[in-house]
Amino acid sequence: GNSVTQMEGPVTLSEEAFLTINCTYTATGYPSLFWYVQYPGEGLQLLLKATKADDKGSNKGFEATYRKETTSFHLEKGSVQVSDSAVYFCALNRNQAGTALIFGKGTTLSVSS
Amino acid sequence: DAGVTQSPTHLIKTRGQHVTLRCSPISGHKSVSWYQQVLGQGPQFIFQYYEKEERGRGNFPDRFSARQFPNYSSELNVNALLLGDSALYLCASSQDRANEKLFFGSGTQLSVL
Repeated sequence: GNSVTQMEGPVTLSEEAFLTINCTYTATGYPSLFWYVQYPGEGLQLLLKATKADDKGSNKGFEATYRKETTSFHLEKGSVQVSDSAVYFCALNRNQAGTALIFGKGTTLSVSS
Repeated sequence: DAGVTQSPTHLIKTRGQHVTLRCSPISGHKSVSWYQQVLGQGPQFIFQYYEKEERGRGNFPDRFSARQFPNYSSELNVNALLLGDSALYLCASSQDRANEKLFFGSGTQLSVL
């Protein structure tokens, strides 16, 4: 079946450290891949997306590259800030009518100053 | 413009009761999806409605039902509540059926005692 696996959290970093959150997926066909972020007390917000192999999504200093050969979509940021503290969800969409986003379990990031 | 709004924000029910959750999509959005997020897990798809018709259903029992109104707002109903139904219920809207870009509300936190 279709699924998303994220690295276990929490991830604890100091400000300006490098961030990687691993995400791998299993899917039939050619899914689109997403990273969503959930700040405390808020709903999910789309952070970035990629719709085909080798595409790179980027936003707010975060990047992720759609790697079909390794079925991965790892999230990276070169220098994290305290304000990046949140829960990050990797997700896929099989791009078929009536289907929905399939989410990973989420990775909690805590950044200290 | 207002984002996706959900009501109520918090709700406490007892086992066996019925609950109705409400969602207003972003103006102009015709698709509404419902997700259940259990603590520590990623959101799981419950329903998608587009143009007032059910377009997708996740793996949830028949106790869960939903509908979409002519103004594209939506209700999620859960009958015969179980302790395991305690979760954050998220509503998301998008402009079309493909759900390429979902906008999430802040959710309704349901506690079943």
